[in-house]
Amino acid sequence: NAGVTQTPKFQVLKTGQSMTLLCAQDMNHEYMSWYRQDPGMGLRLIHYSVGAGITDQGEVPNGYNVSRSTTEDFPLRLLSAAPSQTSVYFCASSYSFPDRGSNTGELFFGEGSRLTVL
Amino acid sequence: GEDVEQSLFLSVREGDSSVINCTYTDSSSTYLYWYKQEPGAGLQLLTYIFSNMDMKQDQRLTVLLNKKDKHLSLRIADTQTGDSAIYFCAERFSGGYNKLIFGAGTRLAVHP
Repeated sequence: NAGVTQTPKFQVLKTGQSMTLLCAQDMNHEYMSWYRQDPGMGLRLIHYSVGAGITDQGEVPNGYNVSRSTTEDFPLRLLSAAPSQTSVYFCASSYSFPDRGSNTGELFFGEGSRLTVL
Repeated sequence: GEDVEQSLFLSVREGDSSVINCTYTDSSSTYLYWYKQEPGAGLQLLTYIFSNMDMKQDQRLTVLLNKKDKHLSLRIADTQTGDSAIYFCAERFSGGYNKLIFGAGTRLAVHP
């Protein structure tokens, strides 16, 4: 199993450009989420999805869009990048609650995508 | 609202015990977690505890949960240089699904 795969690992954008961070998982997890990690602030939830066709906002959704057309994929779109979006982005997936297949509620993380907006 | 707080830094000598503390706000959280992040990598689950437990031990790791004070701690016995990492406390949001709320992370530095 590849687990959670994120691409790209590194990206530099100019202010106003758009881009999509890709996330794919091969564990048949219903739940998928995007976090951003900033120094001293830990991980903050951007958007999440509890299944194909269902998405919802987390703590810091502004400036980001998501969609969930398949169970496996959960792309994160930046429509008009801003310097405040410079961060490390993590995709994470798990079975939904009540847990199926695992009773730990463990989130499986990708390796991260480091984004710099100039 | 939901909030998880941790101190940002901890420095220990190799061989000593490390204790990382965390406070959380959602008294109805059912699961509490410790994740470890090594440099340049994603987070990996280190251990977890159910809210109906007070303590959990797993080899060198001991998790203590004080539900009254909403306080969670992680003790690492015989700390090694390979334990140097950022440790995140997280609570499962009681509103459903697997939405986790993370603390800011504690950077553990182990020196000889």
